[in-house]
Amino acid sequence: DAGITQSPRHKVTETGTPVTLRCHQTENHRYMYWYRQDPGHGLRLIHYSYGVKDTDKGEVSDGYSVSRSKTEDFLLTLESATSSQTSVYFCAISESYPITGELFFGEGSRLTVL
Amino acid sequence: AQKITQTQPGMFVQEKEAVTLDCTYDTSDQSYGLFWYKQPSSGEMIFLIYQGSYDEQNATEGRYSLNFQKARKSANLVISASQLGDSAMYFCAMRARNAGNMLTFGGGTRLMVKP
Repeated sequence: DAGITQSPRHKVTETGTPVTLRCHQTENHRYMYWYRQDPGHGLRLIHYSYGVKDTDKGEVSDGYSVSRSKTEDFLLTLESATSSQTSVYFCAISESYPITGELFFGEGSRLTVL
Repeated sequence: AQKITQTQPGMFVQEKEAVTLDCTYDTSDQSYGLFWYKQPSSGEMIFLIYQGSYDEQNATEGRYSLNFQKARKSANLVISASQLGDSAMYFCAMRARNAGNMLTFGGGTRLMVKP
């Protein structure tokens, strides 16, 4: 199994509070991703990173920011959480860019915003 | 923009029978890859199978095969000899060369295997 750890795995917070989710990998893979999963929508890409300090927006990036100061860590921040950001968040990694390369996923972080 | 459509929200199959999960995709790119993932009730995402747009033969991985029909833009997953442990959500996904490095997912199909 790919070495991907997400923390926290579960979090309940209140509207308006900041939240940071952490993804840590031990595979030294270049690409890291944050997805959210909601019923009926599958997984949707929030942000991704293609190297240290190199990040880009995905499909549903509004309200989220990311940072990658080290190869192994990719942080997702909700500056002011809203109820619409209640979701399961998955981190994923891939080694390189070929379209043949599958993504390896973390176990997910369930966030509830009250 | 690329799009993946899975039209079957839920399906039942009898144990030991084969089942086909539908997936259609839309992209203007000529070079792309198609993936299927399984998500059991425990929540983890498990990679099942991959098909490249230039691959002439359908991909197979054990009991999983991908029925790739390029002209119809479909990439259906076939599971042979269903087992109770196959009960899960199944997601089709696509990655295209000109769409950045993003894996785009369909909405998923929940498969339930009956004993």
